[in-house]
Amino acid sequence: AQSVTQPDIHITVSEGASLELRCNYSYGATPYLFWYVQSPGQGLQLLLKYFSGDTLVQGIKGFEAEFKRSQSSFNLRKPSVHWSDAAEYFCAVVDLWGSQGNLIFGKGTKLSVKP
Amino acid sequence: EPEVTQTPSHQVTQMGQEVILRCVPISNHLYFYWYRQILGQKVEFLVSFYNNEISEKSEIFDDQFSVERPDGSNFTLKIRSTKLEDSAMYFCASKTGTAYEQYFGPGTRLTVT
Repeated sequence: AQSVTQPDIHITVSEGASLELRCNYSYGATPYLFWYVQSPGQGLQLLLKYFSGDTLVQGIKGFEAEFKRSQSSFNLRKPSVHWSDAAEYFCAVVDLWGSQGNLIFGKGTKLSVKP
Repeated sequence: EPEVTQTPSHQVTQMGQEVILRCVPISNHLYFYWYRQILGQKVEFLVSFYNNEISEKSEIFDDQFSVERPDGSNFTLKIRSTKLEDSAMYFCASKTGTAYEQYFGPGTRLTVT
C-alpha cells in the first residue's frame, strides 16, 4: 500500500533562515505528490504539486519542492522563512489504487519560526 | 477566488447523538471528499462522492456514516450515533473532473462527550 512519511514532527527555524521539510513516499510507479499548508484555524491550502516533468517545482509563497525518485523523496524548501510561514505542513500522494484520486497524507510537520 | 466552505466550525455533541456536518464545494467541481484528522494523527480519507453516489470509501466509513448531496451546492456527512472516538477534525474537499489536486475547506472540529 502507498504511504507517506514525514519524519519531523516539529521544526523550529529562525526568521530569515532556510527551511527544508522532509517527505518520503512509498509507491512503485511515478507518484502524484502535493504539499499542503494548514495555518491555525484554516483549511488545507495547496502549496505545490508534482505530476511529471521537471523535478523541481515552484509553488506559492516562495516555496519549492524537489522530486527525487532515487530517494523516494519530495522535500519542501524555502530559502528565507518569514514569521507568517509558521503553520503545519502536510505532504500527500494520490492513491492511484483507488478509483477517485483520494489522497494519502503524512502526519504533518509543525513549523515554528523564531524572531 | 472560489473556496470550499464548511459549517459549523466546531460542533460539540453527546455520545449517541446524530450530527450532520455541512460543506459547500467549489461550484464547478465534480468530485467531493470527506477526510478526518484525529488529534495528533494523520489526515485520513473517509469517502469520495461522484455523480450523486459514493465512489469509494475507506474502512473507517462504516454504517454509522452517510453522505448526501441534497441539492446542487451542499455536501453533507452524517454520523448517526456518535462515539467518543469520532472526535476529530473533519475536512471536506472537492476537485474538478480532470485534475488531481483537491481543494479543502477549513474543517469542522467535532467533539463527542
